[in-house]
Amino acid sequence: EDKVVQSPLSLVVHEGDTVTLNCSYEVTNFRSLLWYKQEKKAPTFLFMLTSSGIEKKSGRLSSILDKKELFSILNITATQTGDSAIYLCAVVVGNNRKLIWGLGTSLGVNP
Amino acid sequence: GAVVSQHPSRVICKSGTSVKIECRSLDFQATTMFWYRQFPKQSLMLMATSNEGSKATYEQGVEKDKFLINHASLTLSTLTVTSAHPEDSSFYICSAISAASTDTQYFGPGTRLTVL
Repeated sequence: EDKVVQSPLSLVVHEGDTVTLNCSYEVTNFRSLLWYKQEKKAPTFLFMLTSSGIEKKSGRLSSILDKKELFSILNITATQTGDSAIYLCAVVVGNNRKLIWGLGTSLGVNP
Repeated sequence: GAVVSQHPSRVICKSGTSVKIECRSLDFQATTMFWYRQFPKQSLMLMATSNEGSKATYEQGVEKDKFLINHASLTLSTLTVTSAHPEDSSFYICSAISAASTDTQYFGPGTRLTVL
């Protein structure tokens, strides 16, 4: 059975800290891995990763995929209170591009 | 770019009525749209996948006669919850994949359905 596991499930840090969120997966027919941020509404897209070892960056956020070890990490540097959210990892599988979701990491950033 | 809208954002209805939710891709053509529901503090649960011009593919356990999906154009999919009951109250979210063929699903803002 396809599965995606995120860790930690919950994390609280102080503003300015750097955090690393983990996502490991066991799936068949891997296509790509997606990171999303979910606040009160629906998820907003952060990154799509398809190739190993190529870091994607957007401001203070960055992510990388290791297809040999079957995991990805999402880094957030110099965290701000606005980074408080649930960070979701999802793996795209198969020709119908179905998403296999992790349970998410709930990040709280205190001032 | 890649904006998906949903309408309405919130709806309250009486038990037994039907509710239609629209999902639109505003600045791209979406060959595939997905419908999810999400319960509080839980992951998104895929209900069905709809491809433009063809019948939707429903996930196991989702009643196709209760949750009618129509994907009539490359920018619009609708979900109709028929004969709604209180247990259908949930947060319904759609997503769309661009016809440019990436894997990224762009999500609408969601619709909060409350059935009294």
